[in-house]
Amino acid sequence: DADVTQTPRNRITKTGKRIMLECSQTKGHDRMYWYRQDPGLGLRLIYYSFDVKDINKGEISDGYSVSRQAQAKFSLSLESAIPNQTALYFCATSEGAHTEAFFGQGTRLTVV
Amino acid sequence: AQSVTQLGSHVSVSEGALVLLRCNYSSSVPPYLFWYVQYPNQGLQLLLKYTTGATLVKGINGFEAEFKKSETSFHLTKPSAHMSDAAEYFCAVSDDSNYKLTFGKGTLLTVNP
Repeated sequence: DADVTQTPRNRITKTGKRIMLECSQTKGHDRMYWYRQDPGLGLRLIYYSFDVKDINKGEISDGYSVSRQAQAKFSLSLESAIPNQTALYFCATSEGAHTEAFFGQGTRLTVV
Repeated sequence: AQSVTQLGSHVSVSEGALVLLRCNYSSSVPPYLFWYVQYPNQGLQLLLKYTTGATLVKGINGFEAEFKKSETSFHLTKPSAHMSDAAEYFCAVSDDSNYKLTFGKGTLLTVNP
């Protein structure tokens, strides 16, 4: 089984719908992250959490929210999806500062 | 604020040729530097990292990178490209003022037979 699991892997949704992307990890790491990948723009940080009670906005948090349900679970929500949120979304975990980040397989989200 | 610049969004080499992917960073404090690789339809995986110590870092699959503080660079090299190296490569930085990874925009490596 993968260390970092994202569900769903692919999703098509309509403008205005609420959607949740889920991430679970078996690494035992405290730190979890949500990134968005767009062609030519690399990965941009949406939200990050250093432990269950610590959640922080990244560089592109507008239009997104997160929930850290447990050490192992970190979900990303789009309250009202819009087409420019069409992207590849990655969840990642790390053990501490400056350590390797482990990535999930990604969720390809299309908003029509 | 820290940032990463990858020169060249697309690099094409012949099989057996040298691979050179460029990365420059800006950081107000000593950085921690990473190279990640993304194969099609997959997540990112770590190739190598520089934290402290030896400035020439060896990674997986024959890749290596050299940290040059004076040039604020961390270029990735491989002496001889293989078809299986075709992927997108990302340089990333973190530092003590900002405990998060900041990624470059990526370089797509194509290997021609």
